[in-house]
Amino acid sequence: QKEVEQNSGPLSVPEGAIASLNCTYSDRGSQSFFWYRQYSGKSPELIMSIYSNGDKEDGRFTAQLNKASQYVSLLIRDSQPSDSATYLCAGRNTGRRALTFGSGTRLQVQP
Amino acid sequence: DAGVIQSPRHEVTEMGQEVTLRCKPISGHDYLFWYRQTMMRGLELLIYFNNNVPIDDSGMPEDRFSAKMPNASFSTLKIQPSEPRDSAVYFCASSLGPYGTYGYTFGSGTRLTVV
Repeated sequence: QKEVEQNSGPLSVPEGAIASLNCTYSDRGSQSFFWYRQYSGKSPELIMSIYSNGDKEDGRFTAQLNKASQYVSLLIRDSQPSDSATYLCAGRNTGRRALTFGSGTRLQVQP
Repeated sequence: DAGVIQSPRHEVTEMGQEVTLRCKPISGHDYLFWYRQTMMRGLELLIYFNNNVPIDDSGMPEDRFSAKMPNASFSTLKIQPSEPRDSAVYFCASSLGPYGTYGYTFGSGTRLTVV
């Protein structure tokens, strides 16, 4: 089992809809999680971090963390074609003291 | 700050040749990470440094890979000899702290093709 798992997609949503991206993790010691966005041919860039159970909102983005169920999600409201990218979930690997990344979910927003 | 700077952007080499990838982290960041990204395996941590000292190299696939950080502003990842299965995008990232209070900042990557 990979430490951080994501559905590879593609997840296709129409413009203006809510995109929901999910991630599960196996390291119960992970205290915080990060969502990165990666456009094709580019490097990952940080969108949001979340440290506590519950929701954290930043503009059109909402990160959700449920430590009991070991899942993290990212909601993108009012999806735009410019949101089309691969979204990487990353969690703290307490053993290696570095971030472990999921393989990413490709999001396609249809105009 | 110019961000994390990697060179070269693209490298095409023949099997058996030595390849050296270079990275300049963000000034003031105390952690530097080397990741490799492939379609099959995603983003894998190869090695990381704290204050120029290698901390964890358990992700280095084999002895053909080596990494150094001679000072706070420069790191190299070397593959010798290179093999076609080493073809991937290699990212360098830096941060404040092992997890990054503000996450990791990635360089633009080096796309390596070994033929």
